[in-house]
Amino acid sequence: AQTVTQSQPEMSVQEAETVTLSCTYDTSESDYYLFWYKQPPSRQMILVIRQEAYKQQNATENRFSVNFQKAAKSFSLKISDSQLGDAAMYFCAYRSRTSYDKVIFGPGTSLSVIP
Amino acid sequence: GAVVSQHPSRVICKSGTSVKIECRSLDFQATTMFWYRQFPKQSLMLMATSNEGSKATYEQGVEKDKFLINHASLTLSTLTVTSAHPEDSSFYICSAKTTSNQPQHFGDGTRLSIL
Repeated sequence: AQTVTQSQPEMSVQEAETVTLSCTYDTSESDYYLFWYKQPPSRQMILVIRQEAYKQQNATENRFSVNFQKAAKSFSLKISDSQLGDAAMYFCAYRSRTSYDKVIFGPGTSLSVIP
Repeated sequence: GAVVSQHPSRVICKSGTSVKIECRSLDFQATTMFWYRQFPKQSLMLMATSNEGSKATYEQGVEKDKFLINHASLTLSTLTVTSAHPEDSSFYICSAKTTSNQPQHFGDGTRLSIL
């Protein structure tokens, strides 16, 4: 079975600085998707960025980028120029291409942004 | 963008009551819908996967007679918590997707409180 691990329960970053959130996963599959979701206090799930396993190029979305290391099964999220609105829970997630495409979430990292 | 509407957003009821939560895809047809449960400061735990017109697939440890899922159309799935008790109090989130290479779209969640 697939598992997703986030080793940092809490992180903090100074406004305008850069922070990296870690994620590792375990799978025997070769074709899958990885995601980072943001959950603010409103508890709405917001897709931040996604990576397809067969693509070697790291995904980027404005201030958000990932470092995808397939062999190491690592998928970290870098947030540049951190803003107060970035404060939230961040979940790393894995989605199989089989098993009805269900998503497995990591335990989450709570990010605080210090003004 | 794809919108998933979840209703109600908040429900408070007495122990022993059955509660129905609706999840609707407003502008797309959802072949698959997922139901998650989230306890405070924890991650999302998948409860079940439902495909339109077929029985839901429940995750290990989830009581299918307790959490009834119906996915009768391509735009609506319902989760009924039968004879709810205080330990069923939680945040329930649905998501919906169309084809395999598309990400899931999440509803805004339902906060269920059983007195």
